[in-house]
Parts: sequence; structure tokens; C-alpha cells
Amino acid sequence: QLQLQESGPGLVKPSETLSLTCTVSGGSISSSSYYWGWIRQPPGKGLEWIGSIYYSGSTYYNPSLKSRVTISVDTSKNQFSLKLSSVTAADTAVYYCASMVRRAFDIWGQGTMVTVSS
Amino acid sequence: DIVMTQTPLSSPVTLGQPASISCRSSQSLVHSDGNTYLSWLQQRPGQPPRLLIYKISNRFSGVPDRFSGSGAGTDFTLKISRVEAEDVGVYYCMQATQFPWTFGQGTKVEIK
Repeated sequence: QLQLQESGPGLVKPSETLSLTCTVSGGSISSSSYYWGWIRQPPGKGLEWIGSIYYSGSTYYNPSLKSRVTISVDTSKNQFSLKLSSVTAADTAVYYCASMVRRAFDIWGQGTMVTVSS
Repeated sequence: DIVMTQTPLSSPVTLGQPASISCRSSQSLVHSDGNTYLSWLQQRPGQPPRLLIYKISNRFSGVPDRFSGSGAGTDFTLKISRVEAEDVGVYYCMQATQFPWTFGQGTKVEIK
């Protein structure tokens, strides 16, 4: 059964780069069946899609964040990663990684809280 | 961007009674491949979201049959036939027909 787990620093300073990794177990990140995605949720608010990557390496980003976001895949480690540059307090959120099949996010990680503060 | 609008934003429900959530998109969600990529997710308190329904009306693995989805084009509905205590949480619709993929603002289901 597919499982995803986010990891990375819980505190990032303003203007720095947020870096998170999602480790996939129970399946191959190279599978053509999946998109892999990042979604965030500010405290007490709704969900925002950040971006996704296909097994081929094609990436798709939310235009609202596109200039600051990079998503990549490391097939040797069965992981995919998120980098968000020039962070501000508005980037404080729970960050989720998720798999997508049939264009629905079916399996989610538990989420990791990232706070942007000096 | 396609805007997803959910109503109501809050739904107090009596245990055992039905509940219904509406989701309206600002544009048709019919993809050029003929599919409509509208899904529903449930987020229980303190938990990550969980997929309930994909492509309008398909229940995801393990989802109880009291959950059903319907609709077409721009208007979609999630129905819970008989609300149970474990159904408390926030429900989101999401479209993945057109980039950027977008979510509704969420509907909070609580027990009266």
C-alpha cells in the first residue's frame, strides 16, 4: 500500500528557501500511473495546490507561486522534493505531499508544519 | 483560474439524517478527453485530507456507500445519506481539469 511521508525543517527564516522532501513507500515513484504533488494549508484555512510532477519529470506549478517553486524527483531514493524560495510569513502552513491517480489526490502524507519566522 | 464555490460553508446535521454539499465551478469541468475531474475530499479534525469521490461519482477504495457524488458541467453535489459521528470535518471539492488545480473553500459538517 502506497504511503507518503514529508520531512524537512519546521522553521524557516524570512527570505530563505523552504525545502521539503516526500518519501514514497509501497510503490515506485517512477510509475506512469501517478502524478506527485504538493498542497499546503495555512493555519485555519483551506487547501492550496502548489504544484505537481509527473513520472516523466514534467512539472506543473500554480502560477501564484511559479516564480518561487521548484519540484523535482529523485528516483534513486523514491522521493520527490519541494523548494520554495524567498519565503514570507504568508508561506506559514502545513505542507502535504500526495499522489494523484485519475486526477484526484488519493494518498496523502500526514503533513508537516512549516513556520516562517526570524 | 477556475473558481470553486461551495455551499453551505457550515452544515449542522442531526445524526442519522442526510447532508448535502454543493460545489459550483466558474467554468465547465469537462476535459478535452471527455472526463470531468471533480473530486471530493474529507478532512477530519487534525488529519490530512482523505479522498472520498473522484470523477464526480466514483467512490474511492474503502469509502462507505453512504457517500455519493453527482453532477455535471459546473454543478456538483456530495451527499451523505445518513450522517454518522465520524463524518464530522471539513469537506472540499477539487477540480483537476484545468491548471492550476483548485479547491473549494471547504464546508464544515458538524453534529447538531
